[in-house]
Amino acid sequence: ILNVEQSPQSLHVQEGDSTNFTCSFPSSNFYALHWYRWETAKSPEALFVMTLNGDEKKKGRISATLNTKEGYSYLYIKGSQPEDSATYLCAWGDSGYSTLTFGKGTMLLVSP
Amino acid sequence: EPEVTQTPSHQVTQMGQEVILRCVPISNHLYFYWYRQILGQKVEFLVSFYNNEISEKSEIFDDQFSVERPDGSNFTLKIRSTKLEDSAMYFCASSGDREAYGYTFGSGTRLTVV
Repeated sequence: ILNVEQSPQSLHVQEGDSTNFTCSFPSSNFYALHWYRWETAKSPEALFVMTLNGDEKKKGRISATLNTKEGYSYLYIKGSQPEDSATYLCAWGDSGYSTLTFGKGTMLLVSP
Repeated sequence: EPEVTQTPSHQVTQMGQEVILRCVPISNHLYFYWYRQILGQKVEFLVSFYNNEISEKSEIFDDQFSVERPDGSNFTLKIRSTKLEDSAMYFCASSGDREAYGYTFGSGTRLTVV
């Protein structure tokens, strides 16, 4: 069974804290790894699409790294703000790339 | 910014009834998808659609499910005879350059089968 796992399941931090979460995925037949930010009552919003081993992408205070050989990606948020509160989903695409397999997400709550 | 639009936002239907969930993808996108999330579970893939045909479907997407792109703009998911376990949030998504931008999701239709 090909599975995408995310940890932790949930995280509660104070404003200003930096945080990171993990996505693990099958390393065989890897094609792409997506990160999405999903706020309550809204649609998931694409943050990053990563395809190359060692890739690192950044968008403001959020960055992500990718290790395709060992099958994991980290998402980092520097200086968390309350508006960062959301569920962060990762999704793995295999070499066929017709579908994405999603993790269950990490729910982040940032308190002021 | 272009959006994927889904209607209705919430639908309640009786078990055994047919439902049609509607989506308007972003106009210049080429790939279209339906995903669903049962409460408390992972987002699950249902079907992908490219070049006016299904490119891949999951085990969930059985004979009760069908998709259509009847007029070049709408992308519909039909469930012929709904079951209680079909209750979920159904998301439509579209993508153009998937390697650069990922998917654009709609805000979902919450389907409740009673």
